[in-house]
Amino acid sequence: GAVVSQHPSWVICKSGTSVKIECRSLDFQATTMFWYRQFPKQSLMLMATSNEGSKATYEQGVEKDKFLINHASLTLSTLTVTSAHPEDSSFYICSALLLISSSYNEQFFGPGTRLTVL
Amino acid sequence: AQTVTQSQPEMSVQEAETVTLSCTYDTSESNYYLFWYKQPPSRQMILVIRQEAYKQQNATENRFSVNFQKAAKSFSLKISDSQLGDTAMYFCAFIERIAGTASKLTFGTGTRLQVTL
Repeated sequence: GAVVSQHPSWVICKSGTSVKIECRSLDFQATTMFWYRQFPKQSLMLMATSNEGSKATYEQGVEKDKFLINHASLTLSTLTVTSAHPEDSSFYICSALLLISSSYNEQFFGPGTRLTVL
Repeated sequence: AQTVTQSQPEMSVQEAETVTLSCTYDTSESNYYLFWYKQPPSRQMILVIRQEAYKQQNATENRFSVNFQKAAKSFSLKISDSQLGDTAMYFCAFIERIAGTASKLTFGTGTRLQVTL
């Protein structure tokens, strides 16, 4: 159980175009999902917290208008990179929060999406 | 703000040997969780082990165990009988234990472990 998928796993796009990445919790409902960015050989950097039915909370320094997040259902969050540029090329990882007990919830991670902007 | 420090960027161990990865953290909170995540070449994040701060007993999962020193704010991972499949990036992570809220994970910078023949 607790499987999270991402689609696509790999995408190449031209500079100036927009790309949408989907994150799905396959066997549980997640009111909260997280989006991370990871550069080669570096750690995960939290970009934003996605809450079902409400606006996402972005971390400091992350452009809200560039990285649009929508969490329209309890199993799906999307990240849209708008007007992509080569510097947006990176590995994007999502996670979905599963309530384990009244005092503990755990993040389950998707397999990631590699974005290359030409 | 919480910080997590991994001082070993890279480590190498021979197959069947034991290796210990270090992690220190800084927090003013008393209730929290600590994790070790593994990220193999596939880049899928895999939870290796979890430790609850209020539990004194060190967590163990098969070949993986931790040495949790709360006063010293230290949380090291020991891998026994290392296997080639253990080759991966290992991240130490911290999260506050707050009921009913979606707290954020704070990750360390990672340790790249190479298991050799």
